[in-house]
Amino acid sequence: DSGVTQTPKHLITATGQRVTLRCSPRSGDLSVYWYQQSLDQGLQFLIQYYNGEERAKGNILERFSAQQFPDLHSELNLSSLELGDSALYFCASSKRGGFTDTQYFGPGTRLTVL
Amino acid sequence: GENVEQHPSTLSVQEGDSAVIKCTYSDSASNYFPWYKQELGKGPQLIIDIRSNVGEKKDQRIAVTLNKTAKHFSLHITETQPEDSAVYFCAARGGNQFYFGTGTSLTVIP
Repeated sequence: DSGVTQTPKHLITATGQRVTLRCSPRSGDLSVYWYQQSLDQGLQFLIQYYNGEERAKGNILERFSAQQFPDLHSELNLSSLELGDSALYFCASSKRGGFTDTQYFGPGTRLTVL
Repeated sequence: GENVEQHPSTLSVQEGDSAVIKCTYSDSASNYFPWYKQELGKGPQLIIDIRSNVGEKKDQRIAVTLNKTAKHFSLHITETQPEDSAVYFCAARGGNQFYFGTGTSLTVIP
């Protein structure tokens, strides 16, 4: 158990809908990362937050947005969902968000778009 | 952007043998290279990492080597055990982003 929690574990929804994925980092970690893992695209970095501020941006679509709240939990919002958005979404956390900080991954949220 | 290639995609070894997984990267500015192990139904777990100013790093049965000139880095697992069976991902950090290889499914046959 990494100490990172993600909810929900599974999510099934329809095209065009909007969903919110939630992540609670390990106690004491200030930085949160979001990743998408799909069969065709592999593991992709989406976005990183540090203490509430966006720190780095990867291949995150405009239909997706994220934020980190004052209590350090983070949410990833996915809107206008398409079939291709079906994937595992992982959250990771690290102490300070430095480039060599160890990232601890949560168990993931499996999103299925029908 | 950075492009990370990983080989082989699948690897089967006998218990006790060594396993080697290789990755290449394209951006010479990439400066940090972690390796992750992902077991079925779980998130990736960091197993070893190396900075660009280091050529080799070892942690018990696991080692990573980096050749900056050739832009490739490798994961070496010695004395493999059945619990080493998993998918392994290499990654490279370029700028503020992480780029991942496509993964290697390692099977250790008892």
